[in-house]
Amino acid sequence: GAVVSQHPSRVICKSGTSVKIECRSLDFQATTMFWYRQFPKKSLMLMATSNEGSKATYEQGVEKDKFLINHASLTLSTLTVTSAHPEDSSFYICSARAPNPRGQGANEQFFGPGTRLTVL
Amino acid sequence: DQQVKQNSPSLSVQEGRISILNCDYTNSMFDYFLWYKKYPAEGPTFLISISSIKDKNEDGRFTVFLNKSAKHLSLHIVPSQPGDSAVYFCAASNFGNEKLTFGTGTRLTIIP
Repeated sequence: GAVVSQHPSRVICKSGTSVKIECRSLDFQATTMFWYRQFPKKSLMLMATSNEGSKATYEQGVEKDKFLINHASLTLSTLTVTSAHPEDSSFYICSARAPNPRGQGANEQFFGPGTRLTVL
Repeated sequence: DQQVKQNSPSLSVQEGRISILNCDYTNSMFDYFLWYKKYPAEGPTFLISISSIKDKNEDGRFTVFLNKSAKHLSLHIVPSQPGDSAVYFCAASNFGNEKLTFGTGTRLTIIP
């Protein structure tokens, strides 16, 4: 099946530094990837849609200059949290649309294992 | 504005019995629904989905029911097994839009 990996799985950084999170589709090409953020005991919140070769589309309320997204190839999207602050501490998850979605209009996404970011 | 709601944050079920997880939505444009299972510190794993042209979809122990008039869907797991203990998210989308809107999740605990 479709496998999505994320690196790193866990990162601790000091306030003011930038952190890069990688999302890779291992056995398929993904023209579209998604970045989510999950707060404790909350839903997954879509941050942005990452399109290969073009600018990402950010959801309302998400600062595009704070969360830089680059989708340079069909298998790699990166999320950079710039000038991280403690309130950016969260669980970040990426996903990619299934290469062969089942059924008409299927929007099945395969998720990476997530990255736990802790900003001190 | 929470367009997809899971009103039960937690549910405990005896092993072997049926687990029923519920999900309600408000956006009538949604026409495709998915259930995901999530373990702590891991990404969600796809379980089962249903299109709005159906009212039931079954895959092994998992069955999803859709009631469009009530804007309600449910996931039935039978028989429940200890490995089913996890957080379950329902998600919704509409045709032509790849974005998924997730509910807040229900933590299912299967009691041996």
